[in-house]
Amino acid sequence: EAQVTQNPRYLITVTGKKLTVTCSQNMNHEYMSWYRQDPGLGLRQIYYSMNVEVTDKGDVPEGYKVSRKEKRNFPLILESPSPNQTSLYFCASSWTGMNTEAFFGQGTRLTVV
Amino acid sequence: GENVEQHPSTLSVQEGDSAVIKCTYSDSASNYFPWYKQELGKRPQLIIDIRSNVGEKKDQRIAVTLNKTAKHFSLHITETQPEDSAVYFCAATSDTGRRALTFGSGTRLQVQP
Repeated sequence: EAQVTQNPRYLITVTGKKLTVTCSQNMNHEYMSWYRQDPGLGLRQIYYSMNVEVTDKGDVPEGYKVSRKEKRNFPLILESPSPNQTSLYFCASSWTGMNTEAFFGQGTRLTVV
Repeated sequence: GENVEQHPSTLSVQEGDSAVIKCTYSDSASNYFPWYKQELGKRPQLIIDIRSNVGEKKDQRIAVTLNKTAKHFSLHITETQPEDSAVYFCAATSDTGRRALTFGSGTRLQVQP
């Protein structure tokens, strides 16, 4: 089954404790992206990757890192989480960009206390 | 960058009525306009999309219209059913640059039985 898988689904952590949210897709998509969803703001892009070893900032990259060592995986790293990073996070993948159908992961609800 | 505005933020209709959600965009380079449906606690899923070389697209009870000159596009749902209740997001992107989706802020549609 074609899918994008994120883990964990829920995470509560403390300020400053490094964490990683994993994302994996099995559709051989070139383009992968992270979004955060906040009430009244829709979804905003954090980082994206057009292919292996190619990553770049989206609209709200501060406080986040990503890597793309393999085509299928695109982890989101929060080196020193802060309460303003409490949000719902979605990983998405598509063939060549979000100008083609994007498939979203199940979401990760992160709470930073 | 692109800016997408979406109205209304909430919409309540009776079962069987029609629902219309409107979006405007700012970047004339945008040429792909998808609509996503997000049920409570679920991931966004593509329900219909339109490209700038087309003025209207229909899929059963759902239709999207695009006015490039005025830079607005709309989602039309006819014969609404309770299972249409969800949050709907419009988005826009182009074939150039980072090809990221810029989302509207969402419309919560409630279909009353």
